[in-house]
Amino acid sequence: KNQVEQSPQSLIILEGKNCTLQCNYTVSPFSNLRWYKQDTGRGPVSLTIMTFSENTKSNGRYTATLDADTKQSSLHITASQLSDSASYICVVSAGYQKVTFGTGTKLQVIP
Amino acid sequence: DTAVSQTPKYLVTQMGNDKSIKCEQNLGHDTMYWYKQDSKKFLKIMFSYNNKELIINETVPNRFSPKSPDKAHLNLHINSLELGDSAVYFCASSLGRSGELFFGEGSRLTVL
Repeated sequence: KNQVEQSPQSLIILEGKNCTLQCNYTVSPFSNLRWYKQDTGRGPVSLTIMTFSENTKSNGRYTATLDADTKQSSLHITASQLSDSASYICVVSAGYQKVTFGTGTKLQVIP
Repeated sequence: DTAVSQTPKYLVTQMGNDKSIKCEQNLGHDTMYWYKQDSKKFLKIMFSYNNKELIINETVPNRFSPKSPDKAHLNLHINSLELGDSAVYFCASSLGRSGELFFGEGSRLTVL
């Protein structure tokens, strides 16, 4: 069964600090992995996409990594800002149209 | 100029009623979706349409009926609403069946 598990479930950090969110998946065959950010009361917005051959991809202060051998991905946020407070969802695509959503990590950045 | 727009944003109704949520995208995408997000914030796909054709129909009660009049619109009609239908419903679209998903702002349905 295709599954995507994220950790931690929730996280509180001080503004300016770094943090790393984890995503483990058992989806097969692997097509791509995306990280989405969902602000409270809004729809998810894509941050990055990782394909099989990519190890690292950055989008501003967000850096995603992918280890296709261990089926793990991480999202690293550098110098966190209050606006980073949101839920972060890992989404893995398994070929044509099969998309599995993770349960999300709720991040709260406090002053 | 909203890319994926859904209405209404909030909907409060009584058990047993019938209600509809509308969705429109102006991105020129050929695939549209309905997702349900429960109280635990888990997003679960309900339906997917590609070029007006139903391609994904997950295990959803047949009280839920999607309708796609054209590629830019995907509406969701719910009959005989139940308490468990309370959730946030998200419409999304993509270019191709595995493209990046663009979500609407969500429609929060509360069934009393």
